[in-house]
Amino acid sequence: AQSVTQPDIHITVSEGASLELRCNYSYGATPYLFWYVQSPGQGLQLLLKYFSGDTLVQGIKGFEAEFKRSQSSFNLRKPSVHWSDAAEYFCAVGAGAGGGNKLTFGTGTQLKVEL
Amino acid sequence: GAGVSQTPSNKVTEKGKYVELRCDPISGHTALYWYRQSLGQGPEFLIYFQGTGAADDSGLPNDRFFAVRPEGSVSTLKIQRTERGDSAVYLCASSFAGANTEAFFGQGTRLTVV
Repeated sequence: AQSVTQPDIHITVSEGASLELRCNYSYGATPYLFWYVQSPGQGLQLLLKYFSGDTLVQGIKGFEAEFKRSQSSFNLRKPSVHWSDAAEYFCAVGAGAGGGNKLTFGTGTQLKVEL
Repeated sequence: GAGVSQTPSNKVTEKGKYVELRCDPISGHTALYWYRQSLGQGPEFLIYFQGTGAADDSGLPNDRFFAVRPEGSVSTLKIQRTERGDSAVYLCASSFAGANTEAFFGQGTRLTVV
């Protein structure tokens, strides 16, 4: 069965500092990987996704993530955090072609940004 | 509307009662998903529809939970004999068919069983 681990429950960074959120997955085949952001009162918004090809993927709002098969990781990064990035971030792995967007999510990382 | 719409946004019900949660997907999206998000957790998959049929209902926790999508658009998640443990945010998402597509999520229905 597929699973996702986000080892950091809470992270606090200063505005303007760099950010890296960790994600490790377990999946038997080539994974479909996603990062979503959830702000209070808002639905989940897709930041970026990896299906195949270039292992460094660019997303919205200046985020990027790197797929590392050898480490079973898909860490999310941003070079300079803005106060509006404070939210909860979820990593997810997809079931692939037959399962469409059937996703297994991690437990999330709550990001706090200090001004 | 432009996005996935879920109604009601909040629902409080008594233990043992029956509830229905509605999801209006984005027009043209053939795939529809239900997830449940408990406090402090990530969303958990419940069921996936492709058109009118349930392609995968392996996430439904027990037979008190049922979902339908009779015309391939709006879906209703039905919960019988609600229990306090059913309290959670129920999320709906829709997408075009296939894996290489983006799923768009609604804002959810917060269900509280008292």
